[in-house]
Amino acid sequence: RKEVEQDPGPFNVPEGATVAFNCTYSNSASQSFFWYRQDCRKEPKLLMSVYSSGNEDGRFTAQLNRASQYISLLIRDSKLSDSATYLCVVNMNMTTDSWGKLQFGAGTQVVVTP
Amino acid sequence: DGGITQSPKYLFRKEGQNVTLSCEQNLNHDAMYWYRQDPGQGLRLIYYSQIVNDFQKGDIAEGYSVSREKKESFPLTVTSAQKNPTAFYLCASRPSSEGLYNEQFFGPGTRLTVL
Repeated sequence: RKEVEQDPGPFNVPEGATVAFNCTYSNSASQSFFWYRQDCRKEPKLLMSVYSSGNEDGRFTAQLNRASQYISLLIRDSKLSDSATYLCVVNMNMTTDSWGKLQFGAGTQVVVTP
Repeated sequence: DGGITQSPKYLFRKEGQNVTLSCEQNLNHDAMYWYRQDPGQGLRLIYYSQIVNDFQKGDIAEGYSVSREKKESFPLTVTSAQKNPTAFYLCASRPSSEGLYNEQFFGPGTRLTVL
C-alpha cells in the first residue's frame, strides 16, 4: 500500500462549479500536511498547508480528518486557471532523521472546462 | 531575486555516461533535497541534506550520488549504474529540516533523457 494515495482523476469541472477530492495517508503519526499545485511540466508550488482545524484561503478549503487519515481539498467557483494537478504531501515525522522528509501523492488532475 | 535554479533544463545522455545536474539556491536554506518524478507517480526522494557537508540517502538512492560542500549548492550525479534514469528531476530547499510547516521550495527541474 502506498503511504499517500490520491485519486488520479481527471476531475472534469465546469467553470464556476465546485470540486472536492481527498487524499489518504497510511501513517497515523504524520504531523503536517500540505496541498501543492503542479502545472504541466512545471515544478510543484505550495497551495496551502492543512491545519488540524481546517483552513480556508479564498476559494480553496482544506480539511484534515485524523481519525480516518485523510485530507481533503475543495475548490469553489472553479476558474480555468485552476486546471492543474494537485499533490497531497504528508510530513511523516517519526524521528529526528525524518524531519523534513515529505511523502508525495501521485496527484489528482483537475480540468476546468468553459 | 531569491530562488532555486537548476541547470540544464533539458539533458540528453548516452547510456553508460555519468551526468551531473546542478542545483543552486540563494535563499539561505539549510536543507536541500533531490526528487525524481515519473509519469503517474509521486515525487520520490533520492537524497537529502540537512546541513552543509552532510547528506542522507532517500528512498531511491541507488545509482545516484551527491555532495554538499557549500550551503547554496547540492549537485546530483546520475551514474551509469542507474538503470532507468530518464525522468524529471526536481531540486528543493527548506529553511530547516525542522519546523512542521516550513514550506519546501522547488527549482524548475531538469528533464533527463537517456538515448
